[in-house]
Amino acid sequence: RKEVEQDPGPFNVPEGATVAFNCTYSNSASQSFFWYRQDCRKEPKLLMSVYSSGNEDGRFTAQLNRASQYISLLIRDSKLSDSATYLCVVNRMIYNQGGKLIFGQGTELSVKP
Amino acid sequence: GAVVSQHPSWVICKSGTSVKIECRSLDFQATTMFWYRQFPKQSLMLMATSNEGSKATYEQGVEKDKFLINHASLTLSTLTVTSAHPEDSSFYICSARLSGTGHYEQYFGPGTRLTVT
Repeated sequence: RKEVEQDPGPFNVPEGATVAFNCTYSNSASQSFFWYRQDCRKEPKLLMSVYSSGNEDGRFTAQLNRASQYISLLIRDSKLSDSATYLCVVNRMIYNQGGKLIFGQGTELSVKP
Repeated sequence: GAVVSQHPSWVICKSGTSVKIECRSLDFQATTMFWYRQFPKQSLMLMATSNEGSKATYEQGVEKDKFLINHASLTLSTLTVTSAHPEDSSFYICSARLSGTGHYEQYFGPGTRLTVT
């Protein structure tokens, strides 16, 4: 079982749709959580950190449930420019080293006109 | 803020030669940088953690003598792929960790696409 698992894609949605991505992680030593987006043949870019209380940034809302080890990302009113691969990422803590990022396999989103 | 550059953006080399890739944090100091590799349709795989002034920590299965990492300053880490072979062709991405935020987010360079012929 992979340490970080995401919904398999691709998600094909029309403009304006609401789309939700789910992610689970298996290592309880994970302490920081992120969503990154990666465009084709480009580097990942930080979309948002995910906090226990949940957080929102414009059309994007992230939720974290530590008890269930579950992370979600909701995109409202999707735009064509939202088309990308969304990566669920956790920071696995390593004693005295700050830890390292573990990436999910990514979920591809394609927003159509 | 939190900009990371990488050079070169792409390189083609012959089998058996060595290639050096530079990673720089432009507007912040990074005591820790990371090197990843990504094959088509796959997610990023961490190769090694680069710590300023000390030896890199390599992930299991990554040959430290083949992938030489040097982190000589707080803004520069280099990865040298020695005696490159076609199977080393990949997208190599570095990242730098922004310290002091408590969240350990990493910012990525634009990547280097290596093709070994």
